[in-house]
Amino acid sequence: AQKITQTQPGMFVQEKEAVTLDCTYDTSDQSYGLFWYKQPSSGEMIFLIYQGSYDEQNATEGRYSLNFQKARKSANLVISASQLGDSAMYFCAMREGNNAGNMLTFGGGTRLMVKP
Amino acid sequence: GAVVSQHPSWVICKSGTSVKIECRSLDFQATTMFWYRQFPKQSLMLMATSNEGSKATYEQGVEKDKFLINHASLTLSTLTVTSAHPEDSSFYICSSPSGRNGVGEQYFGPGTRLTVT
Repeated sequence: AQKITQTQPGMFVQEKEAVTLDCTYDTSDQSYGLFWYKQPSSGEMIFLIYQGSYDEQNATEGRYSLNFQKARKSANLVISASQLGDSAMYFCAMREGNNAGNMLTFGGGTRLMVKP
Repeated sequence: GAVVSQHPSWVICKSGTSVKIECRSLDFQATTMFWYRQFPKQSLMLMATSNEGSKATYEQGVEKDKFLINHASLTLSTLTVTSAHPEDSSFYICSSPSGRNGVGEQYFGPGTRLTVT
């Protein structure tokens, strides 16, 4: 079974509007971490936001927020006030266990395209 | 954030030759280095995990004799693609958890685009 599922292969959003990128995960661990990365066409992986399984508050980083619904095992990324530079691939990833050195498992990604 | 450099950024080689990709942690000690492969329009797939001073652990389906990983120091890990073939053409990217903030954020190198002709 897929551990990380991103059901939206591609998304369009109008500049200055908000957009939600979906991510669901599957794990039996009680301790885990959820990450979102942005990958522009250059290929570099840019860390956006992190949510720990025990964090009660949804994580926020500037225009990025993570809508964490633990019971539903979802960790959607919300980008507010979209900008043209937000056009990129977005990957949701999970680290299982509480060892910060554990590997990340990535979802299939969502390509976001921001329209002017 | 922590910095990981990767060299070369792109390489074109002939079928049958070997290519070495270097990944360096510039401002932290990378005890662990993860090597990923990404085919066009696909996600990152973990190939192997290397730990400084020990043998790498390869994911199922990844040939350890073809993808040689060396992690001889805390700042350098290398991936050598031996006897490369066109199907090895891909984007190779390394990452390491710096451990600075305790959450396990991984810092990625900029990637190496390998084309085998």
